[in-house]
Amino acid sequence: DTGVSQNPRHKITKRGQNVTFRCDPISEHNRLYWYRQTLGQGPEFLTYFQNEAQLEKSRLLSDRFSAERPKGSFSTLEIQRTEQGDSAMYLCASSLASGVTGELFFGEGSRLTVL
Amino acid sequence: AQSVTQLGSHVSVSEGALVLLRCNYSSSVPPYLFWYVQYPNQGLQLLLKYTSAATLVKGINGFEAEFKKSETSFHLTKPSAHMSDAAEYFCAVSPFQGAQKLVFGQGTRLTINP
Repeated sequence: DTGVSQNPRHKITKRGQNVTFRCDPISEHNRLYWYRQTLGQGPEFLTYFQNEAQLEKSRLLSDRFSAERPKGSFSTLEIQRTEQGDSAMYLCASSLASGVTGELFFGEGSRLTVL
Repeated sequence: AQSVTQLGSHVSVSEGALVLLRCNYSSSVPPYLFWYVQYPNQGLQLLLKYTSAATLVKGINGFEAEFKKSETSFHLTKPSAHMSDAAEYFCAVSPFQGAQKLVFGQGTRLTINP
């Protein structure tokens, strides 16, 4: 069990560019979540998948954000036309559908800085 | 809508002293409540959870929390702080079993003084 892996760990980009983050969950976990954390705040829910199906999206997820989990394994989070307000830590977590409610296993996060 | 409020963004205690981190929740239904901890340069990990069984919940590393419905609180305590407890602590709420969205508080950074 290698834990949840996120790449890249840090990304610096210019406003208007597109960025993509990847999350590899714990291998047997069928649920995958994306959260966003800004400085001094707790994580905010963005979206979650059960297998390849995206079952819930937050209103925080504007049309510039898209997430996929094509084969029910790894997931990508893409941000198009980045804005300075997108600067944040993007957290991925995974869990078992049959597991304990609320027991999420988090990765170390991908930090985005938009200049 | 569910929400949590953590009182105090920074708490500083001496090594060996009592740790008390405060969390109040708002929920229209009986909630499931959690404390997560984030050590420097690591991902968040579950410390303990309340899921409508015993109101006093014990977690890892000597931490415990008590669910008090009358006070809508779920404060985290540890009798004797250790230097390794320095971290950021997040309280979170889920409205019911099976709900997939956790709502987190803003976090409390715990500093331990030698």
